[in-house]
Amino acid sequence: GENVEQHPSTLSVQEGDSAVIKCTYSDSASNYFPWYKQELGKRPQLIIDIRSNVGEKKDQRIAVTLNKTAKHFSLHITETQPEDSAVYFCAASRLNSGNTPLVFGKGTRLSVIA
Amino acid sequence: DAGITQSPRYKITETGRQVTLMCHQTWSHSYMFWYRQDLGHGLRLIYYSAAADITDKGEVPDGYVVSRSKTENFPLTLESATRSQTSVYFCASSGGTQYFGPGTRLTVL
Repeated sequence: GENVEQHPSTLSVQEGDSAVIKCTYSDSASNYFPWYKQELGKRPQLIIDIRSNVGEKKDQRIAVTLNKTAKHFSLHITETQPEDSAVYFCAASRLNSGNTPLVFGKGTRLSVIA
Repeated sequence: DAGITQSPRYKITETGRQVTLMCHQTWSHSYMFWYRQDLGHGLRLIYYSAAADITDKGEVPDGYVVSRSKTENFPLTLESATRSQTSVYFCASSGGTQYFGPGTRLTVL
């Protein structure tokens, strides 16, 4: 089955700096790669996703890149702010949508230091 | 987010008791999922459902039972709770993108 590895497990950055979180996956049939943000005690919330026919996607300060050949994808947050502090999860699934089970990485705890 | 709810939000039970966690969504999504979240393991799939009366096992289904008689509801039952089932349980539904419920924190003593 699919296996998703996520690095680093913790990340501290100064406010205004960039943060990068990387994930690798094992199943070459995976086609959908969402990223979720989870604040303490809250539910995971989708922040951005990318499908296999796209190499990069941006939404304001957040971007995701996908390299299908190498089977890895990354989350980039620019101009970090204290409210970006949370746990971020990457995930992968076979269909081109969230209509199949997601396999999650183990998460990255991001701390943005003011 | 208000379209998917879980109850109860917190539950304490004892080993051996049966517990049912409820999940309700108002979007009429066909796909629904149950995940558990544990420190060091991230989110792991317990069961999922593609439509009413269609369910399938995920990565960690042992000790759990699901049913889906109506599209909007997807209850998860722990038939005989064990301490290892102490966890936070998230339900999700999808119409293309998975949205999570607020979670149920379950403690088994």
